[in-house]
Amino acid sequence: DADVTQTPRNRITKTGKRIMLECSQTKGHDRMYWYRQDPGLGLRLIYYSFDVKDINKGEISDGYSVSRQAQAKFSLSLESAIPNQTALYFCATSDRTGPSTDTQYFGPGTRLTVL
Amino acid sequence: AQTVTQSQPEMSVQEAETVTLSCTYDTSESDYYLFWYKQPPSRQMILVIRQEAYKQQNATENRFSVNFQKAAKSFSLKISDSQLGDAAMYFCAYRGAFAGAQKLVFGQGTRLTINP
Repeated sequence: DADVTQTPRNRITKTGKRIMLECSQTKGHDRMYWYRQDPGLGLRLIYYSFDVKDINKGEISDGYSVSRQAQAKFSLSLESAIPNQTALYFCATSDRTGPSTDTQYFGPGTRLTVL
Repeated sequence: AQTVTQSQPEMSVQEAETVTLSCTYDTSESDYYLFWYKQPPSRQMILVIRQEAYKQQNATENRFSVNFQKAAKSFSLKISDSQLGDAAMYFCAYRGAFAGAQKLVFGQGTRLTINP
């Protein structure tokens, strides 16, 4: 969905490096999410945010941190990257009101490789 | 905990034919949402269709329709008049409807190939 953008689209980094993935949305949604996708495992939730002051851990938050800089921006950081964090990372947004309440719309994904 | 199972890792269909992708789920909740997402080679996750569990009517979106069987906890996706652009990985997903439920629970995916 072009209304949700992620940068970078691809990134290769080394073990121990700090890396930040960024997500921006123009949909006006109040809720944002970070997921990771591993082959054969579908998507798993890392963190989610209901609004700028409300951030919550998902099922696999260890090794990650997030920042909600504004309603439209939600960044994911890997403080010290390790090889098993190699994955496809998705940002998603949803709205708590409207005809498609709580339907999540995804960005294009960031492919991260940790060597 | 909720689980979603897609028992068909791969499916193929001839162009213009109809194909049905299966999905079952396990939950103790009475109200929830079910989704089908499509992931083409571009890797974008695209919403295909959405079903609210309290609605008995099956959702439809153009060539895509679902067969929602709440008692059987089954949520299959039917694609009519298959097109080459339908080739993708398809994921079934579940989300609880209560206020604190934020996580989408995904199945393992079904890779759909369209034969010309």
